[in-house]
Amino acid sequence: NAGVMQNPRHLVRRRGQEARLRCSPMKGHSHVYWYRQLPEEGLKFMVYLQKENIIDESGMPKERFSAEFPKEGPSILRIQQVVRGDSAAYFCASSPDTGEETQYFGPGTRLLVL
Amino acid sequence: GENVEQHPSTLSVQEGDSAVIKCTYSDSASNYFPWYKQELGKGPQLIIDIRSNVGEKKDQRIAVTLNKTAKHFSLHITETQPEDSAVYFCAASIGGAQKLVFGQGTRLTINP
Repeated sequence: NAGVMQNPRHLVRRRGQEARLRCSPMKGHSHVYWYRQLPEEGLKFMVYLQKENIIDESGMPKERFSAEFPKEGPSILRIQQVVRGDSAAYFCASSPDTGEETQYFGPGTRLLVL
Repeated sequence: GENVEQHPSTLSVQEGDSAVIKCTYSDSASNYFPWYKQELGKGPQLIIDIRSNVGEKKDQRIAVTLNKTAKHFSLHITETQPEDSAVYFCAASIGGAQKLVFGQGTRLTINP
């Protein structure tokens, strides 16, 4: 059973470009979470999604950031018009359909904005 | 707002000794408390978790204790080994919901 998969692992963008980060949850998991980690800091919750629904987006910046988890395909975290402050590691986690709270994390995408 | 405080930020112990990391949380409704280990360049790896109906849980060299009244929980690693060197994060569920709030992390170094 493959773990949570994220791609790309590293992403370099220039200011003003768009960044798209992908996350495929573990098999049997329909709950997806996105977290952001700045250097030397803990993870900060951004958004919680189930298939085709955003359940909690209380940690998402109000502008430029959006997330989706379509019926088919991976979850996407999209950052429009990136700025240097968006440089961070973005982690996706998934939890089982059974309702168990345990979250399993992917390897992360490290975004660098030049 | 919801907050998790973690101490110490760095910890250095001799191989074979024990390491203890402590966290406090603010949300009385928190009922799930996982601990993660993160190695350089990797994602957090769940090492142990505890739920609010349990006071202590042990898995080989790792144990976690929870004091709901005081709102604190601790990670104990015994017989430490060099491969235990990593950054450790505690977390707490918020409002009984699925989202986790993380502590700031503890960089654990095991000296051979």
